[in-house]
Amino acid sequence: DAGVIQSPRHEVTEMGQEVTLRCKPISGHNSLFWYRQTMMRGLELLIYFNNNVPIDDSGMPEDRFSAKMPNASFSTLKIQPSEPRDSAVYFCASSSSGQETQYFGPGTRLLVL
Amino acid sequence: SQQGEEDPQALSIQEGENATMNCSYKTSINNLQWYRQNSGRGLVHLILIRSNEREKHSGRLRVTLDTSKKSSSLLITASRAADTASYFCAPHTGRRALTFGSGTRLQVQP
Repeated sequence: DAGVIQSPRHEVTEMGQEVTLRCKPISGHNSLFWYRQTMMRGLELLIYFNNNVPIDDSGMPEDRFSAKMPNASFSTLKIQPSEPRDSAVYFCASSSSGQETQYFGPGTRLLVL
Repeated sequence: SQQGEEDPQALSIQEGENATMNCSYKTSINNLQWYRQNSGRGLVHLILIRSNEREKHSGRLRVTLDTSKKSSSLLITASRAADTASYFCAPHTGRRALTFGSGTRLQVQP
């Protein structure tokens, strides 16, 4: 299995631009999670999906952030417009029904100038 | 969901020594998981201990759980330089999302 796949691995953009992060969960997993990690705030849960439905988005910082999961094999996290304080590493993770272990992707390192 | 609090925040030991990290949490759990994060990488699951278990081993890892004290410990025996990483505990309450504390940064000196 290829594991959780995230793209791009690195993204540098300018303030005000739209940023789209992508995630492909492990095949057969029905839960998907987006996390953000910074030195100041640590690892924060942004949103998670179960069977493609958002279950808890209370961690999404503000309306500039949105996440979708159009099918079981793909999810996006979009930031529009981006701001320098959004600079962080964004991780996607997935888990399968009946198992609690989460499998993390390699992350997307975002820098907003 | 609730997050665990790891202690100490940082730990530096010599290769071959044992490393012990602790985790405290606040509410009842179904299980507790430990993860490792190498610098610049995603988290990797190490071990899961269920609420009805008191101790679990996996290779050089030993995890204990004391539900009466709401605490867990992770012991790495005979540490290696490759064990240098951040370690996170994640108490799981039965909901699907895990949350993480600040972790313990372990430095193993060769």
